Formats: sequence, structure tokens, C-alpha cells
Amino acid sequence: DQQVKQNSPSLSVQEGRISILNCDYTNSMFDYFLWYKKYPAEGPTFLISISSIKDKNEDGRFTVFLNKSAKHLSLHIVPSQPGDSAVYFCAASGEFRGTASKLTFGTGTRLQVTL
Amino acid sequence: DTAVSQTPKYLVTQMGNDKSIKCEQNLGHDTMYWYKQDSKKFLKIMFSYNNKELIINETVPNRFSPKSPDKAHLNLHINSLELGDSAVYFCASSLQPRGETQYFGPGTRLLVL
Repeated sequence: DQQVKQNSPSLSVQEGRISILNCDYTNSMFDYFLWYKKYPAEGPTFLISISSIKDKNEDGRFTVFLNKSAKHLSLHIVPSQPGDSAVYFCAASGEFRGTASKLTFGTGTRLQVTL
Repeated sequence: DTAVSQTPKYLVTQMGNDKSIKCEQNLGHDTMYWYKQDSKKFLKIMFSYNNKELIINETVPNRFSPKSPDKAHLNLHINSLELGDSAVYFCASSLQPRGETQYFGPGTRLLVL
């Protein structure tokens, strides 16, 4: 049962253009969403997050949009740079115990930024 | 300075062996986790500890036993390794109060032959 889905396994974008990565979820209990970036042979690196009480969060070149009614979120990267080439994971949280949160991850989208 | 570190980075072993993976974080976090990324690239939580206390234990075979000697360390011991245990294991840590933002280590690539 895949509760967080990233339907595009890969995306190629030219340098300087906008990259849009999408994520859909099915569990309406999720109330916090995160994007992680992962380079080969490294661990996921936290990028940006958004609470369900917001519909947009911006941090420099990265913006995350949340559409709760559609159970959809997206990550916009503007402008895209070659160093952004990586696998991007969407994650959602809605269940926590004490101080720990169970993150549910999508399967990732590989972004390639070309020159 | 490495925030979350894991050793070893690579582990190749035979079926039936017992192995351990170590994790240390220097972020001052109270909560630590183990995740498994399988061949289909799903990243799934296995365990979570808060200040040496087990607080999340997913449906993981009891051959897997986490141990937390202190809040900066969370080790994973695996008994009687099976082929299906081959995966990348990631350690992570987080801050209170709810720990949604988790910081990951570089991963340990385990291959069971």
C-alpha cells in the first residue's frame, strides 16, 4: 500500500529553467510534508518542508506547494542548476509517538539538469 | 563535521552470519531512527529510539535488534542474515517535539551472499 507516490521516476530540465517535481498522497492523516534530496552513495538531505496549515513554503530557489484537497504537493526549483541533479524524495508524516515521527517516503524522482 | 555517521559504509557477508551497523550523531538530538531502503528504492522506517528508549518498532523480524547505549548512538544488530536483508540501511536523528525533520546518515550498503 503505497501512501506516497511520485509517479515520475525521472525528469530532465535545462539549466536555468524551472524544475517541477510532483508527489501525491492518499492518507488524509498526513499533516506535514518534506522533500529530501539524495546524491548517489549518500544519505537523503533535508531540503524543505511544509505543514498542512500552509499551502506554500519558500526557501531560496526552492518552493513547495501543497494542495490538500487534491492530496498533492509539488517542489519547484527556480532556476535549476547542474548541482541540483539528484534523486528527490517526497515524505509525509502524520503519525508520531512521543518525540518520533514515522515518515512515509515516495520512491523518488531522478532530476537531471542539463547544460 | 559529520552530523550523522554510520559504520561500516559497505558490508558483504554470508547468509547465516551475524553483523552490526553503528550509528552516531553529534547534533544533540534525542531521537534516532533506522530505515531500510530495499531494491525497489522504498525507504521504510524500522525502529526509533528516544534517549535510549525504544518508541517505534515496525513489523521487523526479531533477528534485527537495535541497541542504544546513549542518546547519541543507535546500533543495529542483525542475526542469522538472509538474502532478503540485502539493502541500504540508513540511520537518522531528529529534534523534538515531533521529530518530523529527520537528518540522515550516509547509509550502510549490506550485501548478503
